[in-house]
Amino acid sequence: DAKTTQPTSMDCAEGRAANLPCNHSTISGNEYVYWYRQIHSQGPQYIIHGLKNNETNEMASLIITEDRKSSTLILPHATLRDTAVYYCIVEETSGSRLTFGEGTQLTVNP
Amino acid sequence: DAGVTQSPTHLIKTRGQQVTLRCSPKSGHDTVSWYQQALGQGPQFIFQYYEEEERQRGNFPDRFSGHQFPNYSSELNVNALLLGDSALYLCASSLDSGWYGYTFGSGTRLTVV
Repeated sequence: DAKTTQPTSMDCAEGRAANLPCNHSTISGNEYVYWYRQIHSQGPQYIIHGLKNNETNEMASLIITEDRKSSTLILPHATLRDTAVYYCIVEETSGSRLTFGEGTQLTVNP
Repeated sequence: DAGVTQSPTHLIKTRGQQVTLRCSPKSGHDTVSWYQQALGQGPQFIFQYYEEEERQRGNFPDRFSGHQFPNYSSELNVNALLLGDSALYLCASSLDSGWYGYTFGSGTRLTVV
């Protein structure tokens, strides 16, 4: 079973920041937080991952709370092409199997 | 740089038949994982291959088997197909050392009738 809880759906206006929350209250010390997204009819796409510290790359930022029980994925300037299902995944080590939940359907509106 | 290539893209099979799906990993990747995604659900892990051996396996029956070749490409075989095997089958590749995330293919849509 997935170890994360995400809202089923969210909406965001184009050009605004999209903040996607994820709860992982049972996360253990050696587990990473991963984010993937899946655009309709495509395979999932890796976005970002982190252990304790906040992370940023060209796609997004990942903010992990100090107690590590929740995190937020931030898309700073959402575009229509960011409409997708976003999955928050907690796994022990890099290279482990990914346990997907239901994810959050993000819809970016014009 | 070619990503993960899966073939065929779509397939229709009859209940009880056998099917083979194929995956070519991203250039430079040596590990291949397979996932099953039913309509409206997240992908479910089937198994992972590294160095031509099955390294991890999810909760799938023995009807699901796989193979990895010396060039790192992989096959997923499903025997005695059931209607419930209808799904999108995804292949994901990665590098065992220096992990930077999985790269997924676009999948094979299998319909069992």
